[in-house]
Amino acid sequence: DAGVTQSPTHLIKTRGQHVTLRCSPISGHKSVSWYQQVLGQGPQFIFQYYEKEERGRGNFPDRFSARQFPNYSSELNVNALLLGDSALYLCASSRGGISGSGANVLTFGAGSRLTVL
Amino acid sequence: SQQGEEDPQALSIQEGENATMNCSYKTSINNLQWYRQNSGRGLVHLILIRSNEREKHSGRLRVTLDTSKKSSSLLITASRAADTASYFCATAPGWGWGAQKLVFGQGTRLTINP
Repeated sequence: DAGVTQSPTHLIKTRGQHVTLRCSPISGHKSVSWYQQVLGQGPQFIFQYYEKEERGRGNFPDRFSARQFPNYSSELNVNALLLGDSALYLCASSRGGISGSGANVLTFGAGSRLTVL
Repeated sequence: SQQGEEDPQALSIQEGENATMNCSYKTSINNLQWYRQNSGRGLVHLILIRSNEREKHSGRLRVTLDTSKKSSSLLITASRAADTASYFCATAPGWGWGAQKLVFGQGTRLTINP
């Protein structure tokens, strides 16, 4: 089975531009979460989607948005890019739901490294 | 914000030695997980311990959890060069959908010297 796939792997943008990052979860996983990892720090939660509905949002401005498609893939959009948005953006999938051991165990993709100049 | 704090921030040991990393957190939790990250790539899940468990083993890994002290430790025994990576603890601070929002610590950078 393919793991979590993310695209693009690397991208460079300038301040004020818009970026769309894409993620395909593991087959059978219905939940996709997005995390931002700034160099030298741990990942920080941005969004979680389950069955196409937003189930959680972290402390990020409205410039960040996401959605999940019927095939459970997901997009993360960031508008009006700032220098501080430079980071590794990680997508993770899980079985999701709110019951059962391991429902929140995450399988991560390799990430999309965004550089904002 | 990061809930967990990990100690030490960096650890360098000789191959074959044991490595111990500690994690402290602030709120009550559903479960606590440990992940490994190689060279700024994706994280890999290592082990999960539930809030009602005190110790768990998986191969060369041993995790302990003390909910009264809000702390956990990860022990890697008989370390290998391939264990060189950053290790993160992650807590599920809520229940229901809240348990899905993992909160990561800042990580421990482990270097195994041959």
